[in-house]
Amino acid sequence: DGGITQSPKYLFRKEGQNVTLSCEQNLNHDAMYWYRQDPGQGLRLIYYSQIVNDFQKGDIAEGYSVSREKKESFPLTVTSAQKNPTAFYLCASSISNEQYFGPGTRLTVT
Amino acid sequence: SQQGEEDPQALSIQEGENATMNCSYKTSINNLQWYRQNSGRGLVHLILIRSNEREKHSGRLRVTLDTSKKSSSLLITASRAADTASYFCATDTGRRALTFGSGTRLQVQP
Repeated sequence: DGGITQSPKYLFRKEGQNVTLSCEQNLNHDAMYWYRQDPGQGLRLIYYSQIVNDFQKGDIAEGYSVSREKKESFPLTVTSAQKNPTAFYLCASSISNEQYFGPGTRLTVT
Repeated sequence: SQQGEEDPQALSIQEGENATMNCSYKTSINNLQWYRQNSGRGLVHLILIRSNEREKHSGRLRVTLDTSKKSSSLLITASRAADTASYFCATDTGRRALTFGSGTRLQVQP
């Protein structure tokens, strides 16, 4: 059963704590992406990776970090430097033009 | 800044009616894609239209692309309550990741 999984679905953290969101895919896709979505808004690109051991900043990378040690995995860390971390986070992967999305993680920081 | 902007922001119609959503973008593209998002879920790819295509059909979906006006439209015919969702256009400029618009929220009343 191929696809992209994100865990957990809901995540609650206290302000000042770092938190890592998981994204795993078994589609054998080279490229992976992290987006942030705020209520009623579109998607904004945080980081992307075209290949293992390489990643690039997107439009809103400040306060976030990623790693791409394995083709299947692209975890996103939301650091305490991110001023407004509460949002819906979406991971995606692609092999050509079309992107395949995970179900998302809703992060709430209080 | 958002490459794609959808219009209208929200649309409410009766079941059986047609729904039309528009997308405008700013720079040259390789292709334009439409995605659907049910509330609180990931995005699902609907259709891709290349820059040298003018119209494409997929089931009840019809997409047009006018590169001279830098605009696209998505038509959903004979809408159903299950079509209720947000719809996003995304542009592929060949440079990095897709750029998503802010979306149109479609409500289909049964």
